[in-house]
Formats: sequence, structure tokens, C-alpha cells
Amino acid sequence: QVQLRESGPGLVMPSGTLSLTCAVSVDSINRDNWWTWVRQPPGKGLEWIGEIHQSGNTNYNPSLKSRATMSVDTSMNQLSLKLTSVTAADTAVYYCARATPYKLDYWGQGTLVTVSS
Amino acid sequence: EIVLTQSPGTLSLSPGEGATLSCRTSQALSSTYLAWYQQKPGQAPRLLIYAASSRATGIPDRFSGSGSATDFTLTISSLEPEDFAVYYCQQYGPSPMYTFGQGTKLEIK
Repeated sequence: QVQLRESGPGLVMPSGTLSLTCAVSVDSINRDNWWTWVRQPPGKGLEWIGEIHQSGNTNYNPSLKSRATMSVDTSMNQLSLKLTSVTAADTAVYYCARATPYKLDYWGQGTLVTVSS
Repeated sequence: EIVLTQSPGTLSLSPGEGATLSCRTSQALSSTYLAWYQQKPGQAPRLLIYAASSRATGIPDRFSGSGSATDFTLTISSLEPEDFAVYYCQQYGPSPMYTFGQGTKLEIK
């Protein structure tokens, strides 16, 4: 059973940087897995942010225009997401999830990030 | 970029009835790349179906998926009270990317 838990500041200032971490259960992060970040604005649908392999390879959603950066720390069993130049449109629940070929099978519980001054 | 269009937007049914949810893609894709999720209020999405028709671990057999090319369907044979939720389809590709449909809300009539 893979367990994931997101954490980070719940409030970020406009034009600032959103920084989140995702703790992954032991023995999971060092396997040949891809890990994704997905977000969901309040009352809206799901948007894929990007994915990272445990090797460090990444793919991002082009719609974020290079604002997103993901990293993986295998020694700490955690993933990280940074999103720069945030606006109110980045207010959302952010999820991390494991990607096995072409599907997201394990999800964290999500963390709400609000962009506001 | 592939666009996924789900219909209907809202489906009002009673427990015991069957439900049929549709997902149409703007380009034909392999069924390998199509998945369905269920999301209840305040919860993360849960994987139901992958590769268009394979049930995820622990998913009851009243849930089934079908389809190919541009038309995919999620069927719930006999609705249980816990099935009322929002359902999303998801595709992978053609570039390394996941895209979701806008969702179908299944509500109690």
C-alpha cells in the first residue's frame, strides 16, 4: 500500500512562490515509479501539473509556462513542487499521486493553497 | 492537445438504477490510455477503471468501462447510495501529459 501526504503553507502571497512537499511511504519512492502533481480549484475540475521520475526526469503541463519545478529526494522519501509567480488562479487543492502506466493509482489527501494578500 | 468532453454534466438517478457516463476525446487514442476516477466531496479522486475496461483493485463489479477510439463509457449497473459522486475520465498522451474531462456529477434524484 502506497501512502502519500502533502504539506505546505496554506496561504501564499500573490506573485510569490508556492512550495509543497509530498511524503511518500518508505520503499515506494525508490522503485521505478513516476510521481505526479494534480490540482483542483475550488468547485472545479482536475488539472495535471506535471510528473517526476525517481531518477529526476520530469514532464510538465505546457499551460503552466515553466512556472512549475518538481524535485525528488529519495533519501527523505519526499517529492517537492514549486510554482512561481502565483496569482489567485493558482488557488486550489494540490494533490500528489503515483503514476503507473497511464493512470494515477494512489493519491494523497490533498492540501488547499490559497493565493491572497 | 487532446480534449476530453464528458456528458452529461449532471445525471440525476435513484439508487438501484443503472448509470451510463460518456467521455469523448477530440482525437482517437488507444484504450490503454483511458482511465476513470470517482471523487466524493472533500476527498481525493479514486481510480476506478484503467485501460478503458480494467477495474482497479477493490472496485466492485457493478462498475464497468468500455469503448475505443474517441468514445468511452463508464457504466454503473445498479447504483448504491455511495456511488453518488463526481466522475472524471482521464487520458494520457500524445506527449507525456495527463488530461482530464470536466466531470459528470451523479446526483440522487
